[in-house]
Amino acid sequence: DTEVTQTPKHLVMGMTNKKSLKCEQHMGHRAMYWYKQKAKKPPELMFVYSYEKLSINESVPSRFSPECPNSSLLNLHLHALQPEDSALYLCASSQVRDIGADTQYFGPGTRLTVL
Amino acid sequence: AQKVTQAQTEISVVEKEDVTLDCVYETRDTTYYLFWYKQPPSGELVFLIRRNSFDEQNEISGRYSWNFQKSTSSFNFTITASQVVDSAVYFCALSTAGGTSYGKLTFGQGTILTVHP
Repeated sequence: DTEVTQTPKHLVMGMTNKKSLKCEQHMGHRAMYWYKQKAKKPPELMFVYSYEKLSINESVPSRFSPECPNSSLLNLHLHALQPEDSALYLCASSQVRDIGADTQYFGPGTRLTVL
Repeated sequence: AQKVTQAQTEISVVEKEDVTLDCVYETRDTTYYLFWYKQPPSGELVFLIRRNSFDEQNEISGRYSWNFQKSTSSFNFTITASQVVDSAVYFCALSTAGGTSYGKLTFGQGTILTVHP
């Protein structure tokens, strides 16, 4: 069973608003991920944190600002978004090992609508 | 470059039918990992299976089975005696070991499976 939680489940915001998405995991994982998923498309990687440090930023616009306050929490701060940013935002976590790829476990997502 | 192809965009079956979802991958790495995820209408991606490139054994878990064939670069997923609750989008994904300590997933486009009662 997944132990990745995300809040809120749904979010509607205007283009001038500032909001945050939150993700929490209690599996002891040290890698956490943000994905964006548009309707009928696969998830697209946005950011990866490894040991609380930003490892990958997939050229995401600066209106998305990630933060990893500790090993269990991951935030995504949103500011001045555009309507095309409306999507399902998924958080995932995994172990971090020396060799190989680890299974990513996903949260239920936040459905974001930008008006 | 890595690529995952799920040629079947949508599949529709009647309950109790068997259904196979196809997945073909491309990678130049000799060590890689293949995954299947299920995404029901609620939105959460549910992990189903992980396979590494050195293990070509097929696997069965209840009504689910997976056929991994390196010779054809395929990792197909079969649901036996499908049920309405199997209705979801299914994603095949690939990651490689590389020089990093985590895997960057390359997803296929997904297959929408609808099981009718």
